[in-house]
Amino acid sequence: DAGVIQSPRHEVTEMGQEVTLRCKPISGHDYLFWYRQTMMRGLELLIYFNNNVPIDDSGMPEDRFSAKMPNASFSTLKIQPSEPRDSAVYFCASRDSGRAYETQYFGPGTRLLVL
Amino acid sequence: LAKTTQPISMDSYEGQEVNITCSHNNIATNDYITWYQQFPSQGPRFIIQGYKTKVTNEVASLFIPADRKSSTLSLPRVSLSDTAVYYCLVGDMEAGNMLTFGGGTRLMVKP
Repeated sequence: DAGVIQSPRHEVTEMGQEVTLRCKPISGHDYLFWYRQTMMRGLELLIYFNNNVPIDDSGMPEDRFSAKMPNASFSTLKIQPSEPRDSAVYFCASRDSGRAYETQYFGPGTRLLVL
Repeated sequence: LAKTTQPISMDSYEGQEVNITCSHNNIATNDYITWYQQFPSQGPRFIIQGYKTKVTNEVASLFIPADRKSSTLSLPRVSLSDTAVYYCLVGDMEAGNMLTFGGGTRLMVKP
C-alpha cells in the first residue's frame, strides 16, 4: 500500500486566496483525520470522519476552514480566505477501526505558507 | 479527556537505553496508552500501545504500572536515527474520545 497520500506537498499563496488540501487515505480505512502542526501550538486535531461522515469538527479554528469527504478514498480541507496565521503543516491520517491497535497512519503533510 | 505530561526534552548518547516517562493521572478505565514518534518534516508514526503491565515490540518496550497513572517508553540502545519527538497519548477512540497530541518529548541522541 502506498500509505496516506497528500497533495500538494508544498503550497505558497497570498492572503485572501482559497487553499485546498487533498488527502487519499489508506484503502479500507474507515477513519480519516486532519491535523495542523505549528511550532507554537504543536499538533492539533482539526476534524475527523468515520465512514465519510464528519464526527467532530470542534478543532476547526474558524468558519474559514471546511472539510469534506465525498467518498472513502478522498478528502479535502479548504481554507477560504486564507490568512498568514494559517501557515502550518497540515497532516492527514487514517485508521482502520477493525485493527486491535488504535493506530493512525499519517501522510507526509502539506506545508502551507500564506504570505 | 486524559491529559498527559512528559518532559519537554531529553539528551542521550548512542548505545544507551532511553526511558521517557509520561504522566496521565486521570486516565479512564477504557483508555489505552499510545506512543508516536515524529521525525523532522514527517508525520507521526505509531511506535507502541498498551493497556497495562508491559508491552514489547521490535522497536520499544512500554511499561505501565498497576495504577496506570503513568507509563514509560523504553528505547534500547538508541542510535542517532532515534533523534525525534516522542508523543504520549491516552484515549479511547471507539468511545468518541479523540486522541490529543501534547507537546511531546524532543529526544536528542548524540554520538
